[in-house]
Amino acid sequence: KQEVTQIPAALSVPEGENLVLNCSFTDSAIYNLQWFRQDPGKGLTSLLLIQSSQREQTSGRLNASLDKSSGRSTLYIAASQPGDSATYLCAPFGSEKLVFGKGTKLTVNP
Amino acid sequence: DGGITQSPKYLFRKEGQNVTLSCEQNLNHDAMYWYRQDPGQGLRLIYYSQIVNDFQKGDIAEGYSVSREKKESFPLTVTSAQKNPTAFYLCASSTYIPASSYNEQFFGPGTRLTVL
Repeated sequence: KQEVTQIPAALSVPEGENLVLNCSFTDSAIYNLQWFRQDPGKGLTSLLLIQSSQREQTSGRLNASLDKSSGRSTLYIAASQPGDSATYLCAPFGSEKLVFGKGTKLTVNP
Repeated sequence: DGGITQSPKYLFRKEGQNVTLSCEQNLNHDAMYWYRQDPGQGLRLIYYSQIVNDFQKGDIAEGYSVSREKKESFPLTVTSAQKNPTAFYLCASSTYIPASSYNEQFFGPGTRLTVL
């Protein structure tokens, strides 16, 4: 059974800082991994999808890496802004479904 | 404007009542999903459907039912058998290409259900 762990559970940083969110998963038999953002009381917004054959995927200030063999993914946010404050969720996709971690709650202080 | 809509945004139910949550998508996606989110927990899969007129149980299907009569629609019924239905319910959709790394899930805005 796939289990997903996200560390840290919460993170508070000053504006402008570069930061890394970590995601680990126990079953490496995955097709892809998605990173999502969730604002309070809202649905999930897909940020990045990394295919199992890829090592990295970039979108603007976001860069996600995937090491499938070791069961790890990281989300790098460059030059953080207060608007980046949200909960970030990672979810590997395998066996027909996404499995979610509990997320990292990020606060970027002006 | 393509996307996924869920209604209502807020729903209140008395104990013993069944309620149905709506999910509609105009993305021409084959697959649709229902998740439940509780405070401090990750999203958990309730049901999913990869094709019209077919669906499968997820990890927490007990007390829920679904139908998939149209490609665009995947309503979820929360029955009185669901012991603790108060939660935030999220619907998602994706393309369905078997054994593919390209299937990306997109989510609706959610329905918050409260049992009184």
